[in-house]
Amino acid sequence: DSGVTQTPKHLITATGQRVTLRCSPRSGDLSVYWYQQSLDQGLQFLIQYYNGEERAKGNILERFSAQQFPDLHSELNLSSLELGDSALYFCASSVDRDGQPQHFGDGTRLSIL
Amino acid sequence: QQQVKQSPQSLIVQKGGISIINCAYENTAFDYFPWYQQFPGKGPALLIAIRPDVSEKKEGRFTISFNKSAKQFSLHIMDSQPGDSATYFCAASDSSNTGKLIFGQGTTLQVKP
Repeated sequence: DSGVTQTPKHLITATGQRVTLRCSPRSGDLSVYWYQQSLDQGLQFLIQYYNGEERAKGNILERFSAQQFPDLHSELNLSSLELGDSALYFCASSVDRDGQPQHFGDGTRLSIL
Repeated sequence: QQQVKQSPQSLIVQKGGISIINCAYENTAFDYFPWYQQFPGKGPALLIAIRPDVSEKKEGRFTISFNKSAKQFSLHIMDSQPGDSATYFCAASDSSNTGKLIFGQGTTLQVKP
């Protein structure tokens, strides 16, 4: 058990809709990272937050946004969903601001119909 | 230049054998090279990592070999066990892009009993 909790495990929705994925980092970890895993693109870094502030940005679409709350949990919001957004979305956490993701959650599988 | 190329795509090894997975990169700014292990339905888990100031790092049955001049690094799994059957990802990052790990495409390892 990595200690990183992601909800929901599965999400099925339609094109054009909006969803929110939630992540609780490992106890004591201040950094949260979001990754997208798809068959064609592999694992892609989306965004990192450290102690509530955006720290680094990767290949995140403008339709996607994220935030980290004072209790350190994070949410990834995906809007105007397209078929190509179907993927596994992973959250990871680490203690450091400048470190690397160490503990990954088990992901949220998003299916767009 | 941001790519990390991983091979082979899949690997079958007999129990007790050595599993070898290779990765190559082009960006000379990369200074952190981790390997992750992922079981079906789970998120990636950090297995072992190396920085370019050393050529080899060993943790139990897992060893990373690093060749800076060739811009290649590899994972060796000694005495491979059926429980090692998983997908392995190499990754790389540079200090100026904190959290922005660039992942290889993954290698699915099957260890036959």
